[in-house]
Amino acid sequence: DAMVIQNPRYQVTQFGKPVTLSCSQTLNHNVMYWYQQKSSQAPKLLFHYYDKDFNNEADTPDNFQSRRPNTSFCFLDIRSPGLGDAAMYLCATSRDLVGQTRNQPQHFGDGTRLSIL
Amino acid sequence: SQKIEQNSEALNIQEGKTATLTCNYTNYSPAYLQWYRQDPGRGPVFLLLIRENEKEKRKERLKVTFDTTLKQSLFHITASQPADSATYLCALQRDNYGQNFVFGPGTRLSVLP
Repeated sequence: DAMVIQNPRYQVTQFGKPVTLSCSQTLNHNVMYWYQQKSSQAPKLLFHYYDKDFNNEADTPDNFQSRRPNTSFCFLDIRSPGLGDAAMYLCATSRDLVGQTRNQPQHFGDGTRLSIL
Repeated sequence: SQKIEQNSEALNIQEGKTATLTCNYTNYSPAYLQWYRQDPGRGPVFLLLIRENEKEKRKERLKVTFDTTLKQSLFHITASQPADSATYLCALQRDNYGQNFVFGPGTRLSVLP
């Protein structure tokens, strides 16, 4: 089945130690998103790629970076994780950007839960 | 400032009743609004999209309304079942030029047998 896969499901890292989360998709969608979701809160968009074009949200900390080496894969790098970065990180895709096609559901992976020691 | 609110953090209803969840927004002008379901430890799953010129959208036991004057969307689940228990998130397009959706905090629905 076509889907969005995130690895690992659970990640533990130490304070200040760089960590990379990965996402792959078999939907061949143009857009890939990274969200941060803390307990009982809304998913918060960090950034998105439209094809190779990277778009950072204005309030995303510099500590968060992303790479998209090809259509199928996207990575979230946290350069120096702090305790406040412990959260669920969700990857999502959509076929196109919102303004381009009227019905743009996002397809989410099941997330990576990041813990900081 | 811009804000999205969903009626309550948690809603308990009896099996068989209709669940009604609300999504209110301030200082947004979305052309589209979406509803998602999220189960614990899982990613959100898309349910329905409604456009600003549509008053109502239905899918099986689900119904969504969108009132741009009231700046509100209502999400109804009729004949609710325990399997409908989950968190329901509304997401709206930030504005006519916005490329992305912004999510509300969600309402955790529990359907009691």
